[in-house]
Amino acid sequence: DGGITQSPKYLFRKEGQNVTLSCEQNLNHDAMYWYRQDPGQGLRLIYYSQIVNDFQKGDIAEGYSVSREKKESFPLTVTSAQKNPTAFYLCASTTRPEFGNTIYFGEGSWLTVV
Amino acid sequence: AQSVTQLGSHVSVSEGALVLLRCNYSSSVPPYLFWYVQYPNQGLQLLLKYTTGATLVKGINGFEAEFKKSETSFHLTKPSAHMSDAAEYFCAVSGDTGGFKTIFGAGTRLFVKA
Repeated sequence: DGGITQSPKYLFRKEGQNVTLSCEQNLNHDAMYWYRQDPGQGLRLIYYSQIVNDFQKGDIAEGYSVSREKKESFPLTVTSAQKNPTAFYLCASTTRPEFGNTIYFGEGSWLTVV
Repeated sequence: AQSVTQLGSHVSVSEGALVLLRCNYSSSVPPYLFWYVQYPNQGLQLLLKYTTGATLVKGINGFEAEFKKSETSFHLTKPSAHMSDAAEYFCAVSGDTGGFKTIFGAGTRLFVKA
């Protein structure tokens, strides 16, 4: 079945460590996104990528980094510079968003800093 | 820039009662409007969307929404609530910046009482 796979589902990190969240899609979508979700704040855009080897900062990119070396993969690294990284992270993808196409989401990853 | 305001972070209805979740948007370009639903610890899935054409949009699970340009609104309704409708609902807007940035509201959690 086509879809978006995020891993791991739950991740614990010590302060000062970098962690990488995986996102893989087999929908053949060009555009991919990372959102952060905190209670009462909805979804906030961290980074997005329109095509391979290209990505743009979203509204809260500080302390995060991404890469887009393959069409199907868009990993997110949460660096030690991110001051409050504990949150639920959602990866998403779509095709031709300029036409209002639906964004499809993965199941999400919980990151907790301990 | 585009923005979304969802009125009411929590809404409670009785089973069988009307569901009304409110969403107002701001956009300098013709908007694409979406409603997504999220069940606990999962990603978001599309309920319905408006891109062009008919302003009354029907979605899955008996939900519908009406695009009212004069009121800049896109309220979500369902005539009769079911226990399985209990979830968090997000209104979203895109269309600006070539459609690559979708802006989400803060979400409304729907409770359904037996």
